[in-house]
Amino acid sequence: KQEVTQIPAALSVPEGENLVLNCSFTDSAIYNLQWFRQDPGKGLTSLLLIQSSQREQTSGRLNASLDKSSGRSTLYIAASQPGDSATYLCAFPTGANSKLTFGKGITLSVRP
Amino acid sequence: KAGVTQTPRYLIKTRGQQVTLSCSPISGHRSVSWYQQTPGQGLQFLFEYFSETQRNKGNFPGRFSGRQFSNSRSEMNVSTLELGDSALYLCASSWFNYGYTFGSGTRLTVV
Repeated sequence: KQEVTQIPAALSVPEGENLVLNCSFTDSAIYNLQWFRQDPGKGLTSLLLIQSSQREQTSGRLNASLDKSSGRSTLYIAASQPGDSATYLCAFPTGANSKLTFGKGITLSVRP
Repeated sequence: KAGVTQTPRYLIKTRGQQVTLSCSPISGHRSVSWYQQTPGQGLQFLFEYFSETQRNKGNFPGRFSGRQFSNSRSEMNVSTLELGDSALYLCASSWFNYGYTFGSGTRLTVV
């Protein structure tokens, strides 16, 4: 059974710091991996999607990498801002056209 | 390009009642999946529909059901509501292997 770990569960940093959020998984047979952001009481906003054949994806201040051999993905946030405060979740389908398996998320607080 | 639309945004129901939630996927997306999110259990998969057929189902009791229409819109129904069904219900649409787009969710409160 695929297990997904996101550690730590919560993180508080001062504004301006560069951050690395980690996502570890046990089964390297994934099709793609997606990072989401969730604000309290809201739906999930897709940040980045990395296909299994890719190593990384970038969007603005965000960069996500995928290393299937080590079972790890990282989300890098450059120059963090208070508006980045949210919960960040990694997720991936465990088979073709399969349900998404989610990590429990990392709740990020960026202090002004 | 319109996103995934879920209606209603909020619902308050009484124990024992039933409820129907609606999800309109992104145009062209044929797969719609549903998730339940609670503080204690996190995100749990309910079911997935593709071209009007249920393709995957999670470990929820039979009180939870769904369907998909020919225009890909989907509904989920929960009968005989229990207090523990209070949750944020999220719908996502996808197109093959190109990631998932989620709606804003329906917040269901059972009293």
